[in-house]
Amino acid sequence: AQKITQTQPGMFVQEKEAVTLDCTYDTSDPSYGLFWYKQPSSGEMIFLIYQGSYDQQNATEGRYSLNFQKARKSANLVISASQLGDSAMYFCAMRELPYSGAGSYQLTFGKGTKLSVIP
Amino acid sequence: DAEITQSPRHKITETGRQVTLACHQTWNHNNMFWYRQDLGHGLRLIHYSYGVQDTNKGEVSDGYSVSRSNTEDLPLTLESAASSQTSVYFCASSESSSNTEAFFGQGTRLTVV
Repeated sequence: AQKITQTQPGMFVQEKEAVTLDCTYDTSDPSYGLFWYKQPSSGEMIFLIYQGSYDQQNATEGRYSLNFQKARKSANLVISASQLGDSAMYFCAMRELPYSGAGSYQLTFGKGTKLSVIP
Repeated sequence: DAEITQSPRHKITETGRQVTLACHQTWNHNNMFWYRQDLGHGLRLIHYSYGVQDTNKGEVSDGYSVSRSNTEDLPLTLESAASSQTSVYFCASSESSSNTEAFFGQGTRLTVV
């Protein structure tokens, strides 16, 4: 089973509108972290936002917010007031932290969602 | 400013040749990773290291090797390049902390002909 599922291969949004990019995850570890990265057409990977499994509040960073629903194992990215520069691939990723406490710092990525912002 | 750099940015090689992709970070991070990115697959982990002399296989390690002789560098070697290894390769590094992001290099586009 996939650990990170992004069900939307591509999405369109009108400029200045809000958009939600879906991400569901699968883990049995009690502690984990969820990350979103942006990859513009130039290719670099840009970190956007982080949510820890024990965080009580949804993470926010400027126009980005993470709609974290732990029971449903979802961590959707919400971009408010879309801009043309938001057109990019977006990746959801998870870092699992086994109960044993052994370090586990690698990220597992979803397949990504390509967002296109329409003027 | 601290950074993570990959070289070369682009490379074309022939099937069967040995190829090494370089990754150098000045963050002083213990953790370093190699991913490959292919259309429809996202980023998949090839190898990773949690410190000097430590290396571990990831999800798609067949045909690849790494070595970690110092904190700053994690070179990725393709022992005998195959067309299936045509991809974009990303190196990343991170602190040994659960809630910090990984920093990525600019990527290396490798074409095996």
